[in-house]
Amino acid sequence: GIQVEQSPPDLILQEGANSTLRCNFSDSVNNLQWFHQNPWGQLINLFYIPSGTKQNGRLSATTVATERYSLLYISSSQTTDSGVYFCAVFSDYKLSFGAGTTVTVRA
Amino acid sequence: NAGVMQNPRHLVRRRGQEARLRCSPMKGHSHVYWYRQLPEEGLKFMVYLQKENIIDESGMPKERFSAEFPKEGPSILRIQQVVRGDSAAYFCASSPWGPGEAFFGQGTRLTVV
Repeated sequence: GIQVEQSPPDLILQEGANSTLRCNFSDSVNNLQWFHQNPWGQLINLFYIPSGTKQNGRLSATTVATERYSLLYISSSQTTDSGVYFCAVFSDYKLSFGAGTTVTVRA
Repeated sequence: NAGVMQNPRHLVRRRGQEARLRCSPMKGHSHVYWYRQLPEEGLKFMVYLQKENIIDESGMPKERFSAEFPKEGPSILRIQQVVRGDSAAYFCASSPWGPGEAFFGQGTRLTVV
């Protein structure tokens, strides 16, 4: 099956800092999504981005499908950005998740 | 448009009992996925269903676990004779078509005592 690797595994930020999270995948995909799992366990949709670039407020994402990676940018981080960020790709009839990046934003 | 609804939110079962987890997809969504998340771990695929059909159950344990998505009503994930190792958060997601954007419910936290 497809392999999804996320880096870094952990990230500690000072409030106001910028950061980049990376997602590599091992095969072509039909769909790529970024999710934020908040400290209460809820999975929040951030981006549906099979290719190209999208922006939503302080967050943006870029997927380069031909090179099999996606990047999630967080700018001017806030404490509410803390949680686990998951990348997930759709291939072989399933959405496969990476192991996630745990982000901690300190005030 | 209501989101994906899962119930119950929390479920406690004694070893050997049955657990039934329910998932109502978003309106207009006919594709449902179930995932399991162990503490401090990522989400593991269990099963992919369309109305009345199981498309891919490659992530389901061979015994005690079953899933259905009937023509009417919610999708059900059923775990028979639960064991402590079944304790986890179970998430359901739905999408309008296979590779379409998937949305997750709030999950069911199963605790086996």
